[in-house]
Amino acid sequence: NAGVTQTPKFRVLKTGQSMTLLCAQDMNHEYMYWYRQDPGMGLRLIHYSVGEGTTAKGEVPDGYNVSRLKKQNFLLGLESAAPSQTSVYFCASRAQGALSVSNQPQHFGDGTRLSIL
Amino acid sequence: GQQLNQSPQSMFIQEGEDVSMNCTSSSIFNTWLWYKQEPGEGPVLLIALYKAGELTSNGRLTAQFGITRKDSFLNISASIPSDVGIYFCAGQLRAGNQFYFGTGTSLTVIP
Repeated sequence: NAGVTQTPKFRVLKTGQSMTLLCAQDMNHEYMYWYRQDPGMGLRLIHYSVGEGTTAKGEVPDGYNVSRLKKQNFLLGLESAAPSQTSVYFCASRAQGALSVSNQPQHFGDGTRLSIL
Repeated sequence: GQQLNQSPQSMFIQEGEDVSMNCTSSSIFNTWLWYKQEPGEGPVLLIALYKAGELTSNGRLTAQFGITRKDSFLNISASIPSDVGIYFCAGQLRAGNQFYFGTGTSLTVIP
């Protein structure tokens, strides 16, 4: 059972390098999210998407860009990596709830551990 | 962003004991979620709550949506070693699609 798949699982970058993290979900979910998790700070939302071709800023969007060209994929890009972006990145997706039904919970991938030297 | 205050920050308990943790917010939420995260893995949903006062169980876990809509509680009965992990609450405001997460409660169960 795939669910939400993140690639790569680990990566080490030098300051100033660029890279793209890929999130893929096979549940036909409308909504997708990118979070970062840092010690003692829980999960913080970077960017999210409510459907193919749409993106929106979350709580901590600076230094990141995203794209949702296909419904099943949500890409997170770092144009010029900085040590402050060393973190564990999680992708999540959820189905769109009907207006009369409460919102659906999120399903998470296993994370990408990113270190910026 | 929204602040979710989760307590306690960490717990060390004996196997067999019951566990209680809670999450509070300054804002009214329409959805409360509880997740468990184990090392090297993403959060896994335990319980979802959608109505004020709702009490929902999942095995030995029971969670409640506070009547004020500003808090939620998670209880684990008769803890076992595999309960070890970090438990996160998450809430969603009335409008919008963002979920806000608490800082987590780290649970250690001593056999």
